[in-house]
Amino acid sequence: NAGVMQNPRHLVRRRGQEARLRCSPMKGHSHVYWYRQLPEEGLKFMVYLQKENIIDESGMPKERFSAEFPKEGPSILRIQQVVRGDSAAYFCASSRTVADTQYFGPGTRLTVL
Amino acid sequence: GQQVMQIPQYQHVQEGEDFTTYCNSSTTLSNIQWYKQRPGGHPVFLIQLVKSGEVKKQKRLTFQFGEAKKNSSLHITATQTTDVGTYFCAGELAGANSKLTFGKGITLSVRP
Repeated sequence: NAGVMQNPRHLVRRRGQEARLRCSPMKGHSHVYWYRQLPEEGLKFMVYLQKENIIDESGMPKERFSAEFPKEGPSILRIQQVVRGDSAAYFCASSRTVADTQYFGPGTRLTVL
Repeated sequence: GQQVMQIPQYQHVQEGEDFTTYCNSSTTLSNIQWYKQRPGGHPVFLIQLVKSGEVKKQKRLTFQFGEAKKNSSLHITATQTTDVGTYFCAGELAGANSKLTFGKGITLSVRP
């Protein structure tokens, strides 16, 4: 049973470009969460999605960031017009039910030049 | 909103010493979970506590859920260099079918 998969593992973008981060949850998991982790800092919740629905996006910046979890395919975290401050590790986690154990993917390390 | 707090953010111990860290919530929790993130890695689930006063052990790690279900502790006996990493607690608000709220974590370093 494959775990949570994220790709790419490393992503380099220049300022102003777009970054697309993908997350495939564990089989049987319909709840997906995105977190951002800055160097030497803790996990910061960004958004919680179920299939085709955004449940809680209280941690998402109001501009440039969006997330989706379509009926088919992986969840996507999209960052438009990236800036240097967006450089961070972005982790996706999935769970079977809303408060169940969360299983984390290996993360995408985004570097903005 | 609900907060799950872990203080301090960093702790340094000598190998062989015991280590205890705490997690505190402003509200009652249905359950609390602990995760560990090794340097350069991703958070990995360690354990879940559900009952008031519950104590669970994993080798040298002892986890406890407070009687009021508002706090939890993690105790490591005789730390080893393999214990280095960041330990996060995460709680679910009681009475609400809500997502977990993570604390900021405590980063443990162990001097050999």
